Amino acid sequence: SQQGEEDPQALSIQEGENATMNCSYKTSINNLQWYRQNSGRGLVHLILIRSNEREKHSGRLRVTLDTSKKSSSLLITASRAADTASYFCATVPSGGGADGLTFGKGTHLIIQP
Amino acid sequence: DAGITQSPRHKVTETGTPVTLRCHQTENHRYMYWYRQDPGHGLRLIHYSYGVKDTDKGEVSDGYSVSRSKTEDFLLTLESATSSQTSVYFCAITRDSTHEQYFGPGTRLTVT
Repeated sequence: SQQGEEDPQALSIQEGENATMNCSYKTSINNLQWYRQNSGRGLVHLILIRSNEREKHSGRLRVTLDTSKKSSSLLITASRAADTASYFCATVPSGGGADGLTFGKGTHLIIQP
Repeated sequence: DAGITQSPRHKVTETGTPVTLRCHQTENHRYMYWYRQDPGHGLRLIHYSYGVKDTDKGEVSDGYSVSRSKTEDFLLTLESATSSQTSVYFCAITRDSTHEQYFGPGTRLTVT
């Protein structure tokens, strides 16, 4: 069963605006990861946040994690056309992870020029 | 780039035929994974391997088998392909204990 659920399913914004995507999950986690997938390509790892962290930054990406609400958000600032892609959250369960990640269904982000 | 290749990249086959997809890695990682990706479902784990000859089932393993006789190769076999197995198949590896995954380019399989 799906662990992560992204919201919204699709998002269209103007270039230069900020894009926020949310992820909810169901069970206790060791870490939560965000991936990007360009059309027709494999997934690319973006950022990882551990369960004892609340916020993490990487370039134009900002990830927050609220373990009490079992939710995370991914903020992309100053969006660019090249950010058009699908974004997935994935979780590693507490004490595990060797048996694979559990992915959400993704948010499809479109950046309008 | 984690040195992961998949072959073939595209395949069209008929219902009932056997199909084998290959994942090859060049970095000697212990853990390898097969996922399928379908619209509305995201990625779902089919099988994974934690070493040579060590494999286990994932969420959607019915109709699939795997083999790993060498560290670098992880094979996914559809013994008798069905139309419901039309999908894009991704192989992945993990490098460390955080379980960040690195994906191959995918194989698009169409079963007619």
